[in-house]
Amino acid sequence: EAGVVQSPRYKIIEKKQPVAFWCNPISGHNTLYWYLQNLGQGPELLIRYENEEAVDDSQLPKDRFSAERLKGVDSTLKIQPAELGDSAVYLCASSPNSGTGGGELFFGEGSRLTVL
Amino acid sequence: GEDVEQSLFLSVREGDSSVINCTYTDSSSTYLYWYKQEPGAGLQLLTYIFSNMDMKQDQRLTVLLNKKDKHLSLRIADTQTGDSAIYFCAELPYNNNDMRFGAGTRLTVKP
Repeated sequence: EAGVVQSPRYKIIEKKQPVAFWCNPISGHNTLYWYLQNLGQGPELLIRYENEEAVDDSQLPKDRFSAERLKGVDSTLKIQPAELGDSAVYLCASSPNSGTGGGELFFGEGSRLTVL
Repeated sequence: GEDVEQSLFLSVREGDSSVINCTYTDSSSTYLYWYKQEPGAGLQLLTYIFSNMDMKQDQRLTVLLNKKDKHLSLRIADTQTGDSAIYFCAELPYNNNDMRFGAGTRLTVKP
């Protein structure tokens, strides 16, 4: 069974440019997460989807970040315009349930963004 | 700052035991997790413990939980060079699906 697939793995852009990341969760996983991981730190939640509904986006900087999961399967995370401080790894994870009850999160390999 | 705290580095010799410690702040956390991250990869769940347990053993891994002190530890027996990675402690507060991670402990295993 394929794991969580993310693309691109690496992206280098100049500041003020837009960028988009794509995530395909494990088949059948209803819950999808986008995390931000800065160098030397643990992941921080940006947004969580239950099917196509964003149920927790309180940490998403909505002035420049947006996300969608239109059909409740794959998802995109967009930054427009990108700033230097956005350089980080963007991790996507999925879970067959909402993460409670000992549910495991399955992580993709991440998309490493460098903003010059 | 992060609510989950870990020491940043640990270095051990191959064959020794490794103990990675973590403190968390939310006493309502029902589940506590240990994830492993190898270079260039995502996080992989190693083990988790329910809050009503104080110990869980899984092959070379032993998790100890002290709820009173909000202290969690991961012991790796017979540490191998392949165990070199970053280990993240995470808590899942009750009635909240926002899993909170520590900054990670970088384990280096020397031959």
